[in-house]
This record gives sequence, C-alpha cells and structure tokens, in this order.
Amino acid sequence: QSVLTQPPSVSGAPGQRVTISCTGSNSNLGSNYDVHWYQQLPGTAPRLLIYNNHYRPSGVPDRFSGSKTGTSASLAITGLQSEDEADYYCQSYDSSLNYVFGTGTKVTVL
Amino acid sequence: EVELLESGGDLVQPGGSLRVSCAASGFTFNTYAMTWVRQAPGEGLEWVSVISSNAIRTDYADSVKGRFTISRDNHKNTLYLQMNSLRAEDTAVYYCARRAGATHIDYWGQGTLVTVSS
Repeated sequence: QSVLTQPPSVSGAPGQRVTISCTGSNSNLGSNYDVHWYQQLPGTAPRLLIYNNHYRPSGVPDRFSGSKTGTSASLAITGLQSEDEADYYCQSYDSSLNYVFGTGTKVTVL
Repeated sequence: EVELLESGGDLVQPGGSLRVSCAASGFTFNTYAMTWVRQAPGEGLEWVSVISSNAIRTDYADSVKGRFTISRDNHKNTLYLQMNSLRAEDTAVYYCARRAGATHIDYWGQGTLVTVSS
C-alpha cells in the first residue's frame, strides 16, 4: 500500500499548465526526506524526472518543475505537450517503510 | 551509457522459486547501491529491496521479507534477486534500478516479467 497519495488523473489541453500533488505524512515528506518524480510512458520503464524536490536531470525539459512544502509536494508541467501523456509517480523515503512510491497519476492531454 | 539488463523472468507455480538477474554496464558498478522495484499488471510501482555498493547492507519491503534475497557480484557487475515461496501477488514486472544520492533512482532497466500461477 502506498503512503504517498496522488490524484488518479489530471488532464489539460496542449499548452496548458497542470499540477500533480503528492501528499505524505510526518514519517516521510514531513521528516525532511526529499521527494523525487518519475515519468512512465506507456509500455516503458520509469524515467527520473525530478530529484531532490526540484532538480532536473540533464535532458529533462524545463517545462517540468517540482516543489515541496511540509508533508506535500507537487509536480508542475507547463506548456503541456502530447508526449507528456504518461503516468507520473512521486517517491520518497519513509522512516518506517523505507522507500515509498506515490499512488500514481495518469496525465491525459485533451 | 548506463545500461541495466534484466533477465530470468518466467512463469512459476505458487510456492516455487526463481532468480532474476540484472547485468549492469556503462558505470562503476561497485560504487552504487542497487535496488529492485516491481509493478504488478495495471498497478503502480512498489519498492522491493535495496543493497549497498559493498553488499554489506540489505533492506526489504515487508511484503517480501523472509522470502526474497537480494545479492550482487561486483566482479561480474550483476545484481540478483532470489525469490522463494512465490505467491500470486508477486506477479509483476521486476525492474532493476541504480540508486543515486541518498534516496532516488536515476537509471532503470527495461524490466523482466515474473508470473506466479498454476
């Protein structure tokens, strides 16, 4: 069972901005553990999108940005494109459960 | 270029055993912790196990503790996951992944499918 909660789905038109929330608790995000985000395109392995709350690995467009406050985090996608249609997962560390992933959010481009 | 190539996925009966492997290349394997993450069909990601770079420390998800064993051969640049007493709920794609920094994963393999069914 996931201890990081995400909305099941978000959608937006091309060019719009969408955000995905990730809600945790005092034993993970609230304990100062960093949050990371992964993108999983259909039928492929996940790919690191954001690490340590807001850093982008090389090759990730700056349309993707991350933030974290207290027990919550969010991923924003600005200028939504058709190739952004994928599943997105947040991930952190939990003092009781070790590594934890979010429930996942499906992004649909209308 | 970092590459992680899993192998060994198969159909196995409940209660059976299986070992999956992950061949790593393109980086200095013995300096990175490695992890296994699985994804059941149509479901989200679930962390399974992690092993330190020198294999001294290992950790497991409660769902596999006592049944799965992670190991590595730093001479062969290979990561392993020995799975015993398999259950239907262990059916998943198993991803090998490299841990970077303290808690995140920076590279993933393409995955190997393990199906537990009679």
